[in-house]
Amino acid sequence: GQQVMQIPQYQHVQEGEDFTTYCNSSTTLSNIQWYKQRPGGHPVFLIQLVKSGEVKKQKRLTFQFGEAKKNSSLHITATQTTDVGTYFCAGLRGQIYNFNKFYFGSGTKLNVKP
Amino acid sequence: EAQVTQNPRYLITVTGKKLTVTCSQNMNHEYMSWYRQDPGLGLRQIYYSMNVEVTDKGDVPEGYKVSRKEKRNFPLILESPSPNQTSLYFCASSFRGVAGVGTDTQYFGPGTRLTVL
Repeated sequence: GQQVMQIPQYQHVQEGEDFTTYCNSSTTLSNIQWYKQRPGGHPVFLIQLVKSGEVKKQKRLTFQFGEAKKNSSLHITATQTTDVGTYFCAGLRGQIYNFNKFYFGSGTKLNVKP
Repeated sequence: EAQVTQNPRYLITVTGKKLTVTCSQNMNHEYMSWYRQDPGLGLRQIYYSMNVEVTDKGDVPEGYKVSRKEKRNFPLILESPSPNQTSLYFCASSFRGVAGVGTDTQYFGPGTRLTVL
């Protein structure tokens, strides 16, 4: 079954509004990565979070990793039409023999109306 | 230019006809992986390889085979394709991270859209 749950599945916002997507894992993760996929394109790496409670920012994007390393969020402030796409989280479970086995969330598709 | 290439980009085939999707990277990455992407299910890992001759099953390995004879290449083989393998397939590669910490950036190929009739 799905190891990493991601919500919401879709989000439609007006340009300038904020956007947040959440990922939740049933098990502790060793780290979590975030990717963006434009329509018709391939996933592109955004960031990796490793430490418990870590917060990282990239311009208007803020990424958080939960204290228990089971959840993560991506927040976009003042969305722009260039933010359109599907955002995925990908978690690595902390098992010694499977530390390179990725579990992707189902993605949040963001649509931004100008 | 650093990149991951996949061929073919589009393929329509019939049930049971063996096919191979090639993947190649020019970044000297140890780690390579295959994913399939289906609507509502996100990306699911099929197989991954941590180095030459080292491969392991991902989440959905049934019906697929892989091999890693060279560092740069990681082909995906469908011995007897079935319609439920119709999907968008991505190959990805990255440097291996320190054991237990995880890997670095995954670079994805452009994708292969496969239709099995």
